[in-house]
Amino acid sequence: AQSVTQLDSQVPVFEEAPVELRCNYSSSVSVYLFWYVQYPNQGLQLLLKYLSGSTLVESINGFEAEFNKSQTSFHLRKPSVHISDTAEYFCAVSVTAGGTSYGKLTFGQGTILTVHP
Amino acid sequence: DVKVTQSSRYLVKRTGEKVFLECVQDMDHENMFWYRQDPGLGLRLIYFSYDVKMKEKGDIPEGYSVSREKKERFSLILESASTNQTSMYLCASSFGWTGDQTEAFFGQGTRLTVV
Repeated sequence: AQSVTQLDSQVPVFEEAPVELRCNYSSSVSVYLFWYVQYPNQGLQLLLKYLSGSTLVESINGFEAEFNKSQTSFHLRKPSVHISDTAEYFCAVSVTAGGTSYGKLTFGQGTILTVHP
Repeated sequence: DVKVTQSSRYLVKRTGEKVFLECVQDMDHENMFWYRQDPGLGLRLIYFSYDVKMKEKGDIPEGYSVSREKKERFSLILESASTNQTSMYLCASSFGWTGDQTEAFFGQGTRLTVV
């Protein structure tokens, strides 16, 4: 069975500093990879995803993540964070078998990003 | 936009009660899911359904059951609520099984407290 490990439970940073949220997964088969964000008192929203093709994927609000198959990692980065990026971030993996996954997601434990002024 | 609606944001129930959590999606998605969210544990899959009347156990199905009588509606049932089921419950749906179809859309969550 696959598992997802987010290496940091909390990451405090100052505004305009760069940030990296780390995610490693364990799976011996092909995967789809996702980052979701949860703002306080809200549900989860998709931030970005890797399905195939280019290993570097980007979101519309400046986040990016790189799929590294050899290291089984999918770290999330942003070169300059804003106060509004304060939220909890979840990495998730969906195992594919012949391209079929049923969309079942296995989540990491979550990383709380707090951006200080 | 896809909308996944959970019937309640907050619920307080007594130990031993039968509890129903309702979820409705409006985009004709095939797959629906119930997750439980606890601090430090992330989200854990309770049950999912890939078709009407079809259901599969997730990672933590004990103490729960589900019902999917219509494509748009997926209910989570706590047969006899216990205090260790106090948690945030999140419903999600996805269109299909491959590529972009697997993107999951989430409801706002139901925070259940069992006293």
